Amino acid sequence: DAGVIQSPRHEVTEMGQEVTLRCKLISGHNSLFWYRQTMMRGLELLIYFNNNVPIDDSGMPEDRFSAKMPNASFSTLKIQPSEPRDSAVYFCASSRQGWDGYTFGSGTRLTVV
Amino acid sequence: AQTVTQSQPEMSVQEAETVTLSCTYDTSESDYYLFWYKQPPSRQMILVIRQEAYKQQNATENRFSVNFQKAAKSFSLKISDSQLGDAAMYFCAYRGSRGETSGSRLTFGEGTQLTVNP
Repeated sequence: DAGVIQSPRHEVTEMGQEVTLRCKLISGHNSLFWYRQTMMRGLELLIYFNNNVPIDDSGMPEDRFSAKMPNASFSTLKIQPSEPRDSAVYFCASSRQGWDGYTFGSGTRLTVV
Repeated sequence: AQTVTQSQPEMSVQEAETVTLSCTYDTSESDYYLFWYKQPPSRQMILVIRQEAYKQQNATENRFSVNFQKAAKSFSLKISDSQLGDAAMYFCAYRGSRGETSGSRLTFGEGTQLTVNP
């Protein structure tokens, strides 16, 4: 199993541009999570899906952020327009229901200049 | 809402020695799961060890073990025979067991940065 795969690993973009982060889940996992990590705020849950359905998006900072899960194995997190304060490492993680912990991707380091 | 607190922002240990990282949590649930994750400089989040709340026996994974005190809501991580490769940020995390919401969400502590001195 290849694990959770995120792309790109690094992204540098100019303020105002659209950014799309991608995540491929582990086969058989039915929950998908997007986290943001910064020095100031630590790990913040942005949104999560169970069986492709968004369950809790209360962590999404504002309308500039959107996430989709078009099928059971793939998700995108989009920021439009991007701002310098969006600079962070964005993690995707997947899980089965129950006592399993998450399996994390390697993260995308986003820098908005 | 569940909260997880790690009161030690930084810890250091000599190579081959033992170190204990602290974690406390707050919950009204009786059944739940606890985890320790390691994040080395590569930034990959790696599951170190996990504990089910209904199990009284403390979990052990090689040099890593936990001291789970359910009544005190404490879940500390002990690293024995510390190695240079153990240097990382360590996160304590909580996951509920019931329902679509609490059964899925993983709540993290602030993290403890561990330095291993040669």
